[in-house]
Amino acid sequence: AQSVTQLDSQVPVFEEAPVELRCNYSSSVSVYLFWYVQYPNQGLQLLLKYLSGSTLVKGINGFEAEFNKSQTSFHLRKPSVHISDTAEYFCAVNPRMDSSYKLIFGSGTRLLVRP
Amino acid sequence: DGGITQSPKYLFRKEGQNVTLSCEQNLNHDAMYWYRQDPGQGLRLIYYSQIVNDFQKGDIAEGYSVSREKKESFPLTVTSAQKNPTAFYLCASSIEGTSGGETQYFGPGTRLLVL
Repeated sequence: AQSVTQLDSQVPVFEEAPVELRCNYSSSVSVYLFWYVQYPNQGLQLLLKYLSGSTLVKGINGFEAEFNKSQTSFHLRKPSVHISDTAEYFCAVNPRMDSSYKLIFGSGTRLLVRP
Repeated sequence: DGGITQSPKYLFRKEGQNVTLSCEQNLNHDAMYWYRQDPGQGLRLIYYSQIVNDFQKGDIAEGYSVSREKKESFPLTVTSAQKNPTAFYLCASSIEGTSGGETQYFGPGTRLLVL
């Protein structure tokens, strides 16, 4: 079975400061990895995903994430945040198995950017 | 513009009533999904459909039913058997639903409240 842990339920940060949102996963098989963002009362939007190749993945809105297989982590980073980045961020994994469609989500991290 | 629409935005259910949430996509995607989101939790899969006239139960299917009569449409019915239906419901789609690593695209969601 797979599981995703986002240890920080909320991360407050000042505008223009760097931020890191942590994601750790547990899986008996290798996985694909995703980060999604959800603005208040909206659906989810893909920020970035890791399928294979370079472990550093760049996404939209200046976000990037690094896959670390030995630590089973996929932390999300941004060097300088804006007020508009205030949202909930979800990490998700998709097991690399035949016909596997399933996305397993973490509980989310609320990023609160203060002026 | 291609995308996923969900209606209504807010829905109120009375005790013992069945209600149906609409989900339509014009992305020409084969696979469609329904998720439930509760505060402080990640998304949980209710039902999944990979092709017209076929669907599978997800992790929390009890008290819900779906149909997939058209490629574009995947309505979700919340039945009276669902004792705790208050939640935010998200519909998603992906190109095939058979290959790992596919991006799932989300609709704006429907918030269901119990009167």
